[in-house]
Amino acid sequence: NAGVTQTPKFRVLKTGQSMTLLCAQDMNHEYMYWYRQDPGMGLRLIHYSVGEGTTAKGEVPDGYNVSRLKKQNFLLGLESAAPSQTSVYFCASVPSDSYEQYFGPGTRLTVT
Amino acid sequence: GQNIDQPTEMTATEGAIVQINCTYQTSGFNGLFWYQQHAGEAPTFLSYNVLDGLEEKGRFSSFLSRSKGYSYLLLKELQMKDSASYLCAVFTENSNYQLIWGAGTKLIIKP
Repeated sequence: NAGVTQTPKFRVLKTGQSMTLLCAQDMNHEYMYWYRQDPGMGLRLIHYSVGEGTTAKGEVPDGYNVSRLKKQNFLLGLESAAPSQTSVYFCASVPSDSYEQYFGPGTRLTVT
Repeated sequence: GQNIDQPTEMTATEGAIVQINCTYQTSGFNGLFWYQQHAGEAPTFLSYNVLDGLEEKGRFSSFLSRSKGYSYLLLKELQMKDSASYLCAVFTENSNYQLIWGAGTKLIIKP
């Protein structure tokens, strides 16, 4: 099992550009989450999904959109990147019979 | 509101014992997690406490007091590789499948 994977690992964007971050898990987990982590601020939830075809807003959803068309994939989109979105983005998944979150390796995004 | 507090940074000596505290104020409580995060890496699961008391797992132990809204992570026989951030997170029945995260405690181990 690969666990939770994230693509890409690093990216540099110019202000106004768009991109999509892909999170994939091969553990058949029901719940998936997108977080951002900034120095000194811990993990902040952007969006999450409780199952295929469902999404919900987290603590800091503005400027991001998500989709979960397939159970194993959770996509995070930035339509018009801003320097404030420079961060490390983590994806996590949770099985339906547990609360433990399994994290991907992260995507380091810089917006100039 | 919902709040989790942890010290920002702690320093300890190799071979010693360190206790990292976490206090929480949440509407409801189902359980408390501790995660370890090395610099530049993803968080990894350490422990999950649901009931009051101490749970031991090798060199790491985690304690929970629900009545006091308090938990601690105890690390014994510290090794240099224990230098990392330690994140406390609470799961509540009111949080709609979300974890409420503390900002983390950066632990520095000195030889």
